[in-house]
Amino acid sequence: EIVMTQSPATLSVSPGERATLSCRASQNVSSNLVWYQQKPGQAPRFLIYTASTRATAIPARFSGSGSGTEFTLTISSLQSEDFAVYYCQQYNNWPRTFGQGTKVEIK
Amino acid sequence: EVQLVESGGNVVRPGGSLRLSCAASGFTFDDFGMSWVRQLPGKGLEWVSAIDGKGGTTYYADSVKGRFTVSRDNAKKSLYLQMNSLRAEDTAFYHCARGTFYMINWGKGTLVTVSS
Repeated sequence: EIVMTQSPATLSVSPGERATLSCRASQNVSSNLVWYQQKPGQAPRFLIYTASTRATAIPARFSGSGSGTEFTLTISSLQSEDFAVYYCQQYNNWPRTFGQGTKVEIK
Repeated sequence: EVQLVESGGNVVRPGGSLRLSCAASGFTFDDFGMSWVRQLPGKGLEWVSAIDGKGGTTYYADSVKGRFTVSRDNAKKSLYLQMNSLRAEDTAFYHCARGTFYMINWGKGTLVTVSS
């Protein structure tokens, strides 16, 4: 199974600053990578697919990049509603596998 | 608006069984594969199972293979997860989700607690 590793585990950022989250796959997943956002007590929210395509209604401050084994989610200017846990997931192979999550917290 | 509502979670003893349901609305149900993803309270996400739109092809995580069975009733727009031989480590919130590549929409989840 493909292991997804996210870093850092926790990212402390001030509102208005940029946040850069990383996700690494243990083997090549091409661009078959998705990002989700999850806030406490809520279901995950679909953010970005095929590594860099924003889902419907996702603000332009969210961007994804990468292919193969290295991926990045960038939030260009953090808003209060962006403080949450972010997960990556590969869908190149079965079983689908998630990273352990990066918590973006207020600095 | 897409809605996914899970039900059936409960407290069950180790070795017991439970059947989860997910009622879908707001989209053409049989056009989409569906998935189950679980989450330990306060922890990360673990993909559990998936099924294609017609119900003919199913997929499972190794941790549940042989114990869990995913199915769907397209006439009822419903997804199911039959869980047998439950273990303490199956304790989690179980979410149903639209999609088998990526999970486009998620339900809020139903809590399964396996405890003696």
